[in-house]
Amino acid sequence: GAGVSQSPSNKVTEKGKDVELRCDPISGHTALYWYRQRLGQGLEFLIYFQGNSAPDKSGLPSDRFSAERTGESVSTLTIQRTQQEDSAVYLCASSLEQASYNEQFFGPGTRLTVL
Amino acid sequence: AQSVTQPDIHITVSEGASLELRCNYSYGATPYLFWYVQSPGQGLQLLLKYFSGDTLVQGIKGFEAEFKRSQSSFNLRKPSVHWSDAAEYFCAVGAPMNNDMRFGAGTRLTVKP
Repeated sequence: GAGVSQSPSNKVTEKGKDVELRCDPISGHTALYWYRQRLGQGLEFLIYFQGNSAPDKSGLPSDRFSAERTGESVSTLTIQRTQQEDSAVYLCASSLEQASYNEQFFGPGTRLTVL
Repeated sequence: AQSVTQPDIHITVSEGASLELRCNYSYGATPYLFWYVQSPGQGLQLLLKYFSGDTLVQGIKGFEAEFKRSQSSFNLRKPSVHWSDAAEYFCAVGAPMNNDMRFGAGTRLTVKP
């Protein structure tokens, strides 16, 4: 497709369950980012991938959060043993390469609700 | 590391009125500056960006922003707001030295008929 896609669009889960969120970046974009957006708050950086380099995981809030990316394509964000405070919209973005001057193209997000 | 502040959480303007959304940043040098818009149920879309040169930047949808180094600001403006401009607006700051980008908390714009 032409843009960044994310699935599922909505996810409702019970506390303690694991969830996987998926992101398909724009073809040819080597950089991929994950953000968390809690209700009424700004974007919280979680992790980014740049090509085959080691990902920058500095934004991950706890060891329950992890992410993988296969080459320069799909990425999955996994949250283990979900907690209610994990409820948020998780946004994925991609750019041509990881640089602070590059426009990031965002997906529509996955709304996660932990009951 | 750089930081960005959007002082206004929520702004309401009447349709046809002018708009200014504030953005202040903290960074030791000239940063890269961006404004993104997030319409309900949509991802963020770039409105405009500033890297260097002319401090008044024109963007899409009739928006403009002015970089003021002395005030560390990059305020977004539109002369006449349309109902379709109701959305969340995010200012972002990119740091040339560390390839990092930070987003503000956002300003929610409501447009009254």
